[in-house]
Amino acid sequence: ETVMTQSPPTLSAFPGERATLSCRASQSINSNLAWYQQKPGQAPRLVIYGAFTRATGVPARFSGDGSGTEFTLTISSLQSEDLAVYYCQQYNFWPRTFGPGTKVEIK
Amino acid sequence: QVQLQESGPGLVNPSQTLSLTCTVSGGSVNSGDYYWSWIRQPPGKGLEWIGYIYYSGNSYSNPSLENRVTISVDTSKNHFSLKLKSVTAADTAVYYCARDLDQSFFDYWGQGTLVTVSS
Repeated sequence: ETVMTQSPPTLSAFPGERATLSCRASQSINSNLAWYQQKPGQAPRLVIYGAFTRATGVPARFSGDGSGTEFTLTISSLQSEDLAVYYCQQYNFWPRTFGPGTKVEIK
Repeated sequence: QVQLQESGPGLVNPSQTLSLTCTVSGGSVNSGDYYWSWIRQPPGKGLEWIGYIYYSGNSYSNPSLENRVTISVDTSKNHFSLKLKSVTAADTAVYYCARDLDQSFFDYWGQGTLVTVSS
């Protein structure tokens, strides 16, 4: 199966700062990558699909980039409500697989 | 607005079968545009895709679950179901159902239900 890795495991930043999360696939997945945000006690929420397309209702401060094996999710100006774990997920190969997540903390 | 709601026992004995149902509102499981998936998350851990069902009854599950999974759909009740047999403590998790856009990503999720495997 396609193994997804994410870095860093935890990211801590001040409100207003830029946060960049990384996701790597063990083989090329083209642009078949989604990002999810999971706030404490909640279900995951789709943030990005197709590597860079924002889902409906997602603020413009969230952006995705990358293709092949290397991907990034950037939060341009971190807000307190962005406290969450962010997961990447590939859908190029079966079975679909998720990364282990990056926890975003607000200083 | 599509909503999904999981239901089923919160406690299952080891070696028994876990059974959950996901009821869909604001949309139809009969839509050919979507698949319907189950995903789980052990406490404090990451996400694992379990499998999907299509309105026609076609399904596919994660090989890591070693043929323990059955997913079915009831279009008359607008719900789909998961059965996971021969459970162990390792199957303790929050189980989510989700709408699956063309076998790709998941755009709507249920709130999740915790299932604990214990005697």
